[in-house]
Amino acid sequence: DAGVTQSPTHLIKTRGQQVTLRCSPKSGHDTVSWYQQALGQGPQFIFQYYEEEERQRGNFPDRFSGHQFPNYSSELNVNALLLGDSALYLCASSFVPGELFFGEGSRLTVL
Amino acid sequence: AQKITQTQPGMFVQEKEAVTLDCTYDTSDQSYGLFWYKQPSSGEMIFLIYQGSYDEQNATEGRYSLNFQKARKSANLVISASQLGDSAMYFCAMREIQGAQKLVFGQGTRLTINP
Repeated sequence: DAGVTQSPTHLIKTRGQQVTLRCSPKSGHDTVSWYQQALGQGPQFIFQYYEEEERQRGNFPDRFSGHQFPNYSSELNVNALLLGDSALYLCASSFVPGELFFGEGSRLTVL
Repeated sequence: AQKITQTQPGMFVQEKEAVTLDCTYDTSDQSYGLFWYKQPSSGEMIFLIYQGSYDEQNATEGRYSLNFQKARKSANLVISASQLGDSAMYFCAMREIQGAQKLVFGQGTRLTINP
């Protein structure tokens, strides 16, 4: 049984560019949450998707957007990248309500 | 707003010793859940242990136990008989029981086990 898978694992972008990160939830899970973890910090909640709708959003600007597909997979999009967007982006899935399972993350570097 | 505080940036422990990682929390909610996660260098957050706010007993999972003191708002993780593979970042987190299950994390503690 595959766990939460994220792609790409590493990527480098320049300021002003746009990035799309992808997440496939654990089998049977219908809810996907995204977290941003800056270096040396704990993860911070970006948003959560359930039934293809954004269910809750953390304190992140509109440059951060997402989508959930009918197969429950999800994308995180970040526009107009800033240096401060460099971080590990973690996806977590669950079957509402239930234990969260995390992927290994996508490490984004913005130059 | 919920807040988690971990005051130990780093801990160094000899193999086979027990170690306590500190966590205090702040919330106005009556119902909440407390978690500990381990994050190795690979980046994945690995669930270790959970304590509900109404649970009477302290949670235990193998070598992990959670010392829950509700009046002091503390939820310390105790690892018994530490192993070299326990070296990692450890995060305490809080989740609302109701709502969208958002997790609020602390800053983390880097645990290093010395042989």
